[in-house]
Amino acid sequence: GAVVSQHPSRVICKSGTSVKIECRSLDFQATTMFWYRQFPKQSLMLMATSNEGSKATYEQGVEKDKFLINHASLTLSTLTVTSAHPEDSSFYICSARDLRRRTDTQYFGPGTRLTVL
Amino acid sequence: DAKTTQPPSMDCAEGRAANLPCNHSTISGNEYVYWYRQIHSQGPQYIIHGLKNNETNEMASLIITEDRKSSTLILPHATLRDTAVYYCIVLEGNTGKLIFGQGTTLQVKP
Repeated sequence: GAVVSQHPSRVICKSGTSVKIECRSLDFQATTMFWYRQFPKQSLMLMATSNEGSKATYEQGVEKDKFLINHASLTLSTLTVTSAHPEDSSFYICSARDLRRRTDTQYFGPGTRLTVL
Repeated sequence: DAKTTQPPSMDCAEGRAANLPCNHSTISGNEYVYWYRQIHSQGPQYIIHGLKNNETNEMASLIITEDRKSSTLILPHATLRDTAVYYCIVLEGNTGKLIFGQGTTLQVKP
């Protein structure tokens, strides 16, 4: 399988600060990456689709000005949580779409645990 | 968008086969079924996917019914490390999105 990394794995920040999370596809190029959020004991919720070289597409109810996504290269997408508040505390997970095979497969990063104090 | 239905939880004895069912009665002819699993506090792990033929890899087998309205993921010899939440998802063909449901929590017991 393909490898996707995330950095940092865990971050604690004060309310009002901004936090940037990186998602990298290590051994393949990904024109499309996805960002998810997961609250305790819940399933993953898709936040947005990140396309290389273009604006991200956000799911309904996700504030694009709060969750800034940049996909500047074929191996890197970043999610910036701006002016973070305690309710933004969550597990953020990215995935990268691998189109090398006949059918596409998404591979997930290990996740980033964000705690906002 | 085709939705899936899975039992919320299942138990399996270590060393035995784990058979996880999934219903996807509204699936379209060109939509694939994907299976992922998530071990606590980790990102989901890809297991297998298929369209209409049965598939097998080093992790599992996927059996898809002829009408494609349901499928079964088979872990042939479950181990304690297979304890996880298993998600059956129909891929949105146009967008490539994976919309996660609640999945099945598989508990492998010694």
